[in-house]
Amino acid sequence: QKEVEQDPGPLSVPEGAIVSLNCTYSNSAFQYFMWYRQYSRKGPELLMYTYSSGNKEDGRFTAQVDKSSKYISLFIRDSQPSDSATYLCAVNSGYSTLTFGKGTMLLVSP
Amino acid sequence: DSGVTQTPKHLITATGQRVTLRCSPRSGDLSVYWYQQSLDQGLQFLIQYYNGEERAKGNILERFSAQQFPDLHSELNLSSLELGDSALYFCASSPGTENSPLHFGNGTRLTVT
Repeated sequence: QKEVEQDPGPLSVPEGAIVSLNCTYSNSAFQYFMWYRQYSRKGPELLMYTYSSGNKEDGRFTAQVDKSSKYISLFIRDSQPSDSATYLCAVNSGYSTLTFGKGTMLLVSP
Repeated sequence: DSGVTQTPKHLITATGQRVTLRCSPRSGDLSVYWYQQSLDQGLQFLIQYYNGEERAKGNILERFSAQQFPDLHSELNLSSLELGDSALYFCASSPGTENSPLHFGNGTRLTVT
């Protein structure tokens, strides 16, 4: 079983839709959870960073962590064509290095 | 702009050759990480340095090596290149403290022909 799993997509939605992106992880030692956005031919860009279970909101983005289910989500409200990118979840357990999911490609059509 | 600078942006070379990728971390960051990204494997951690010392090693091949210099920039050396080494190579940096998130450069695209 891979440490972090994501559906690769692509996920296609119309502009204005609410998007839900999800990851599952296998190791309960993971305590820190991040979402990165990667545009084509660019490096991953940190979007959200959270530690505890529950929700964290930043503008149109909400990160949700359920440690009991080992499930993390990223919600995007009022999605825009500029949100079209690959979204990577990442986890770590303190000083250990980040472990990434393979990413979900999101396509938002005007 | 993440503040992490990687050069060159593109490299095309032949099998058996050796190349060097360079990374300058964000100002103030002491830790540098190297990742390889290919279509089928996703982002794979290679190696981490903290303030000049190797801190963690991932799936790095013996043909690959890295170092971090006193000015904190880092170099990743890839030798005896094979077709399968073609990938995007990313450098990331962080302060190196517990739980600090990583900030990535825009990568070097390596093509081995």
